[in-house]
Amino acid sequence: DGGITQSPKYLFRKEGQNVTLSCEQNLNHDAMYWYRQDPGQGLRLIYYSQIVNDFQKGDIAEGYSVSREKKESFPLTVTSAQKNPTAFYLCASSIKGRIRDIQYFGAGTRLSVL
Amino acid sequence: AQKVTQAQTEISVVEKEDVTLDCVYETRDTTYYLFWYKQPPSGELVFLIRRNSFDEQNEISGRYSWNFQKSTSSFNFTITASQVVDSAVYFCALSEIAGNYGQNFVFGPGTRLSVLP
Repeated sequence: DGGITQSPKYLFRKEGQNVTLSCEQNLNHDAMYWYRQDPGQGLRLIYYSQIVNDFQKGDIAEGYSVSREKKESFPLTVTSAQKNPTAFYLCASSIKGRIRDIQYFGAGTRLSVL
Repeated sequence: AQKVTQAQTEISVVEKEDVTLDCVYETRDTTYYLFWYKQPPSGELVFLIRRNSFDEQNEISGRYSWNFQKSTSSFNFTITASQVVDSAVYFCALSEIAGNYGQNFVFGPGTRLSVLP
């Protein structure tokens, strides 16, 4: 089955710790995205990658970092610089990142601070 | 200013009632796409429909229908004979051209629909 796999489903971060959220897709999509969703709010774009070894900052990139070493993988690191990391994180992918392309989503990772 | 507005934060209906979710968008582009997604309690966003700016034909898919009106920049979503399984958060989204990386995908704040038995 083709799709997007996010892990872990739940993650807890201690003060001053970096944590990494995994996102893997087997849809052969070029473009991948990370979004943050806060309770009762819409999705905000953190980072975007349209091709391997290239990525762009979204609206709220501060305190986050990403890498895109493989087409199928786009991990997100929440660094200690992100002072309010508690949120639901969604990874998505689309064929090429063109305006007509549908974005498909993973099941999300819920991050909480201990 | 918000590019995508969903004025209804929460709606509650009784099963079998019809319900319309409003979406108003803002763009200067002539070419753009509009989407609706459903987010059930499990959290994953599920794609429902895509519409391009040149196609104002309304669409019906089973109990779902969409009304796109360019003149009012609206793309409303109606569920006919609602069911408990329709309970979810529904997002409207606008996809327009972004200078650096092709696609600027903007989500509205979402409307939480509760269908009561």
